[in-house]
Amino acid sequence: GENVEQHPSTLSVQEGDSAVIKCTYSDSASNYFPWYKQELGKRPQLIIDIRSNVGEKKDQRIAVTLNKTAKHFSLHITETQPEDSAVYFCAAVWRAQKLVFGQGTRLTINP
Amino acid sequence: DGGITQSPKYLFRKEGQNVTLSCEQNLNHDAMYWYRQDPGQGLRLIYYSQIVNDFQKGDIAEGYSVSREKKESFPLTVTSAQKNPTAFYLCASSIGGGGAQETQYFGPGTRLLVL
Repeated sequence: GENVEQHPSTLSVQEGDSAVIKCTYSDSASNYFPWYKQELGKRPQLIIDIRSNVGEKKDQRIAVTLNKTAKHFSLHITETQPEDSAVYFCAAVWRAQKLVFGQGTRLTINP
Repeated sequence: DGGITQSPKYLFRKEGQNVTLSCEQNLNHDAMYWYRQDPGQGLRLIYYSQIVNDFQKGDIAEGYSVSREKKESFPLTVTSAQKNPTAFYLCASSIGGGGAQETQYFGPGTRLLVL
């Protein structure tokens, strides 16, 4: 069935280090994979997305990689800063009908 | 994220009461969505609408109802049949025409609490 598994559920890194969050999905036809950042009590905000015709996309300190064969994609944040602390959600399209979200990763950046 | 508004920010529901959450957008988007978020969990789809006067059930539609009489408005009613309504409700919109593979933009959310 539709499923997006996200790991880890919590992640704590030192400021300046890198953070990696991984997601796996079940629908081999999925072609769109967004990542959202949600600060406490706020709305989710899109930070980066990738479509199935590329394997990697980068925007300053944030990058996403996609492995369609293995059906997984990852978010990479380099040179982490305190303002990166938030909950991050991945999502994948299910049968072209809807987005299915992962359970979220709470990222804490330690100064 | 500007252009999508939700009201109220907090809403209290009494036992057996129906309550309606408002969602308005001025982005000229055709598609609109309602999600429910429980603590420590991801977003689950309640209802979605790709065009005016049409909407479809999502994964957890039981106990909820919607209408889409205007392009810019997609209100959600939480009925008394929803036995565990306490959650953070998020409305989203996308430009429309491309299905789920379009970028969705979220409103600020409504937190519903049961008295």
